[in-house]
Amino acid sequence: EVQLVESGGALVQPGRSLRLSCRASGFSFEEYGMSWVRQAPGKGLEWVSLIRGKANGRTTDYAASMRGRFTISRDDSKSIVYLQIIGLKTDDTGVYYCTRAPIWGPFDYWGQGTLVTVSS
Amino acid sequence: SYVLTQPPSVSVAPGQTARITCGVNNIEGKSVHWYQQKPGQAPVLVVFDDRDRPSGIPERFSGSSSGNTATLTIGRVEAGDEADYYCQLWDNNDDHPDGFGPGTTVTVL
Repeated sequence: EVQLVESGGALVQPGRSLRLSCRASGFSFEEYGMSWVRQAPGKGLEWVSLIRGKANGRTTDYAASMRGRFTISRDDSKSIVYLQIIGLKTDDTGVYYCTRAPIWGPFDYWGQGTLVTVSS
Repeated sequence: SYVLTQPPSVSVAPGQTARITCGVNNIEGKSVHWYQQKPGQAPVLVVFDDRDRPSGIPERFSGSSSGNTATLTIGRVEAGDEADYYCQLWDNNDDHPDGFGPGTTVTVL
């Protein structure tokens, strides 16, 4: 059974940094791309970033608005994907979901999300 | 960049058919995926590659595409289908997600 469990969400002050983690199980992690999607309170889904699997060079992609402050990475030995966010803004508040992203899409499995609140 | 449009809401009586559209300014070379999100829950994939269903998704959920519009159809609507539905565009040339639509809230009357 595929499982994705996010962690690392917290209440943080503007300008600080945060690293989110997503531990995966139930599939051959290194073969799959992984992605982060966020959702602000009461708003829609917003794609953040994607990291491809080993066979595709573990290359990364970011939504245009996310480039610069967001960094996605993975540790295949631990089956974990990370999302580092620097210079947090109040607009970054929301639930951050980890998803599995097979090559050519779609996001076929989702975690339950981790809540990030940016407030002074 | 691509702009996806969805109606904000669709209302349907139980047993009837709900149709949710996703307009794209240029759908060539793209696939459309659909996700269902119930309140307080993570999204669930219900249709991928325009018209395919993941295992476990009822046949009542179907997808189609014509011109620059993709459509998610929910037949014989049930109360449990009440949710937000999002379309997603995927670039088949670059293996790159092009973003989500703004979402459609389906209300079962």
